[in-house]
Amino acid sequence: KAGVTQTPRYLIKTRGQQVTLSCSPISGHRSVSWYQQTPGQGLQFLFEYFSETQRNKGNFPGRFSGRQFSNSRSEMNVSTLELGDSALYLCASSLEGAHYGYTFGSGTRLTVV
Amino acid sequence: GESVGLHLPTLSVQEGDNSIINCAYSNSASDYFIWYKQESGKGPQFIIDIRSNMDKRQGQRVTVLLNKTVKHLSLQIAATQPGDSAVYFCAENSGGSNYKLTFGKGTLLTVNP
Repeated sequence: KAGVTQTPRYLIKTRGQQVTLSCSPISGHRSVSWYQQTPGQGLQFLFEYFSETQRNKGNFPGRFSGRQFSNSRSEMNVSTLELGDSALYLCASSLEGAHYGYTFGSGTRLTVV
Repeated sequence: GESVGLHLPTLSVQEGDNSIINCAYSNSASDYFIWYKQESGKGPQFIIDIRSNMDKRQGQRVTVLLNKTVKHLSLQIAATQPGDSAVYFCAENSGGSNYKLTFGKGTLLTVNP
């Protein structure tokens, strides 16, 4: 059974650019969440999607957005990148949501220069 | 606001010893708790979970204890091995319309051979 797949694994972008990260959940999982991980802030919740609907959003600026497709695959987008956006972005999937635990992918390491 | 915090940021043990990692949470509505292990360059890996109707749950070499009275969670690792060296996170969810996991800051466990 394939795990959660995130692409790309590494990304280097310049300030002001935008970036799109992709996540393929475990087959059959309908809930997908995104987290930002930094040394200073730890794991911070970005948003959660279930059957293409955003059910929860964390305290991040509007530059951070996401979506989920009918096959449960998800993307997140960050526009007008700032140096502080450099982080490990983690995607996690679950059958129904956080109350049933999440399986995480290996993450996308984003570096903004 | 809501938070899940760890008492000890680092823990160093000898191979073969038992390890105990602690976690305090502040949300009295939390009813689902998970421990994750994160190795360098990887995403968090599920270790064990527990719901609030239980005080203790055991897995292979791991035990999670939940004390709802003082809002405290602990992870015990028996016969700690070098492969157990990693950062350990506790996370909680309160169910209902809360679709996110709230993570603690993490504890770095180092196992000395």
